[in-house]
Amino acid sequence: ETGVTQTPRHLVMGMTNKKSLKCEQHLGHNAMYWYKQSAKKPLELMFVYSLEERVENNSVPSRFSPECPNSSHLFLHLHTLQPEDSALYLCASSPGTSGGLGETQYFGPGTRLLVL
Amino acid sequence: AQTVTQSQPEMSVQEAETVTLSCTYDTSESDYYLFWYKQPPSRQMILVIRQEAYKQQNATENRFSVNFQKAAKSFSLKISDSQLGDAAMYFCAYRSRLGTGGTSYGKLTFGQGTILTVHP
Repeated sequence: ETGVTQTPRHLVMGMTNKKSLKCEQHLGHNAMYWYKQSAKKPLELMFVYSLEERVENNSVPSRFSPECPNSSHLFLHLHTLQPEDSALYLCASSPGTSGGLGETQYFGPGTRLLVL
Repeated sequence: AQTVTQSQPEMSVQEAETVTLSCTYDTSESDYYLFWYKQPPSRQMILVIRQEAYKQQNATENRFSVNFQKAAKSFSLKISDSQLGDAAMYFCAYRSRLGTGGTSYGKLTFGQGTILTVHP
C-alpha cells in the first residue's frame, strides 16, 4: 500500500472514552503532522513531528496526546474529549528535506470523529 | 503570523469553461511556498499545484495554472476546460519553512476554502 493511510476512517466516542487515531505513511518521509478540520473553519495545524521528535504543538489541549514511535507511524490519543472536538482529523507527511520536493505535504483520507 | 484569505466561499462554472479562484495572503517573510489543494467529497486532500515564492514564473499543471503576484500577495488558481471531476472544495495554503540544516518541515496555513461546482 502506498501513500498516507489513516485508521479508523470513522469514530464515534463518548466524552469519557479513550481512543486512538492511527496514521501510517509509506513514503519514506521524515516529518508528520496532525491537522483538525472543523465545519466552517480553516484547517488547523495541531502537531508536527520531525524525525520522531515533536517540534510544534500549536496550543492544543492536553486531552489530545500525540505519539510518534517511528518515522512511519503517528498516533493521536484521545481522552475526555468534548463535543466541540468533533471534526475531521487529517494526518500528513512530508519528506522533511531541504529543497523543493521537501516542501510538499501529502495527506491521508482523514478520520471523521464524533464526540457524543 | 501569516494569514490566508479566500474571499469566494462558493464558485460555479460550466463544464469546459474557465474559472479563477482567488487567494490573498499576508506575510513578512521573503522565502515561502504557496499551494492549492483540492478536497473532493471523499475528504482526501489532494495537491493541485505549488509555487515557490522566489520563482517569478507562474506554475502550471496541465489545466491548472496560477497567477502569482508577489508584491500584491495574491495567488489565484485558474482552471481551464473545467471537468465534472473538478468539483470540490479548494484550499489555498501558505507554507513557511521551519527547521534548519538537513531537515526541514513546514507549517501550512490554510484559507477558508472555496466550494467549486461544475455544471454539465
